[in-house]
Amino acid sequence: AQSVTQLGSHVSVSEGALVLLRCNYSSSVPPYLFWYVQYPNQGLQLLLKYTTGATLVKGINGFEAEFKKSETSFHLTKPSAHMSDAAEYFCAVNLRSYQLTFGKGTKLSVIP
Amino acid sequence: DTGVSQDPRHKITKRGQNVTFRCDPISEHNRLYWYRQTLGQGPEFLTYFQNEAQLEKSRLLSDRFSAERPKGSFSTLEIQRTEQGDSAMYLCASSVGLDLSTDTQYFGPGTRLTVL
Repeated sequence: AQSVTQLGSHVSVSEGALVLLRCNYSSSVPPYLFWYVQYPNQGLQLLLKYTTGATLVKGINGFEAEFKKSETSFHLTKPSAHMSDAAEYFCAVNLRSYQLTFGKGTKLSVIP
Repeated sequence: DTGVSQDPRHKITKRGQNVTFRCDPISEHNRLYWYRQTLGQGPEFLTYFQNEAQLEKSRLLSDRFSAERPKGSFSTLEIQRTEQGDSAMYLCASSVGLDLSTDTQYFGPGTRLTVL
């Protein structure tokens, strides 16, 4: 069985500060990994994904994530937070199937 | 480029009533997915279609739930005899579905169901 753990249901950062959202997965083999963002009353938008190859993945809006197999992690980072980054972020995995398994989400607040 | 659309966006119903939601995927996307998202949780997979064939169903999809994609284009999700526990956001997604390693699921805005 595969599962996704997102540490911290709510993270607050100051505008301009580093954003770090944590994601760990549990799987017998390396899965495909995704980060999605959800703005209020909207669907999910893909930020970035890792399948194979380079372990540092760059996404939209200045976000990036690094796949670390030894730590079973796929943390999301952004060097400088903007007010527009305030949203809920979901880490997701799939294990060679089309079914995505999501974490519970981390709500990011950006303080001016 | 038209994204995934869902109708209605909001639905309020009384316990015991039947409801039906519609999802229109991105044109030429072969795969269509349904997820359910309850408050404070991430989306949970319900079912998916490859063209008109329903290929996988979650244990979450009880007998009261049925999904169809009759012509391989739009899909409907029906809930019969709704219960208060069915209150959730129902999300639809679609993808090209040709190669898993490059496949990306694009989500619609969701239908928020409230069962009174």
